[in-house]
Amino acid sequence: DAKTTQPPSMDCAEGRAANLPCNHSTISGNEYVYWYRQIHSQGPQYIIHGLKNNETNEMASLIITEDRKSSTLILPHATLRDTAVYYCILLSNFGNEKLTFGTGTRLTIIP
Amino acid sequence: EAGVAQSPRYKIIEKRQSVAFWCNPISGHATLYWYQQILGQGPKLLIQFQNNGVVDDSQLPKDRFSAERLKGVDSTLKIQPAKLEDSAVYLCASSPRREPYNEQFFGPGTRLTVL
Repeated sequence: DAKTTQPPSMDCAEGRAANLPCNHSTISGNEYVYWYRQIHSQGPQYIIHGLKNNETNEMASLIITEDRKSSTLILPHATLRDTAVYYCILLSNFGNEKLTFGTGTRLTIIP
Repeated sequence: EAGVAQSPRYKIIEKRQSVAFWCNPISGHATLYWYQQILGQGPKLLIQFQNNGVVDDSQLPKDRFSAERLKGVDSTLKIQPAKLEDSAVYLCASSPRREPYNEQFFGPGTRLTVL
C-alpha cells in the first residue's frame, strides 16, 4: 500500500547536486511530504518536510510541484557522508501519525 | 542534547529463546516508537506509546512480542519465544508532543540474529 514511488538507486558525483525524485500522485490535501535518510548501520534521520511551498534548511531543499503529485529532494553539494537510503513519506499532521517507510532510494556519492 | 539510547547493540540467540531490548528516549519526549527493520526493507512500526499508554500496536505480533513503557520514560521490547524470521534490527524512536512538527529521533538500533 505504498503511497510514494522512488527510484531504487541513484549515483551522484561528489560536490554535485543530488536530486532525488518522489512521486505521490494520490496525496491528500492534509498530507505533508517528509524526507528521512538512513546511513548504513544507523537509525533514520529527519531531513525536511513541506506541504506545498518549497522548503530549505541547512541539510537540503524540497521542491514540491504545484499539483503536489511529485517532489524532489535536493542535496546542493553532495559529500561522501550523504551516501544513504533516502525515504520519501507522506504524513498528515493530525496527531502523532505513524511513519510508513517504503524501500527508498539508495543514493551513492561517487568520489 | 543526548540522543535516543538503545541496548544492547547486538544480540545473537537461538530460536525459541527469549530476548529483551531497552530504549531510553530523549528527555521530555512524550511519544516513543519501536520499529522492526528486516534487511533490505524500510522500518516497520511495531508499537507507539504516548507517555505510558499504547497508541498503536496493530502490527505487533502479540503472541510473542510485548512492550512496556514504565513511568512514561524508558521502554523495553521483549520477544518470547523468538523465531528465525525475527532476525532484524529493532529501532527505537521518540518525538516531542509538538504539532504540527512531527520529527522522530531514532536510536542506533539493536541487531538481532536468531539462529
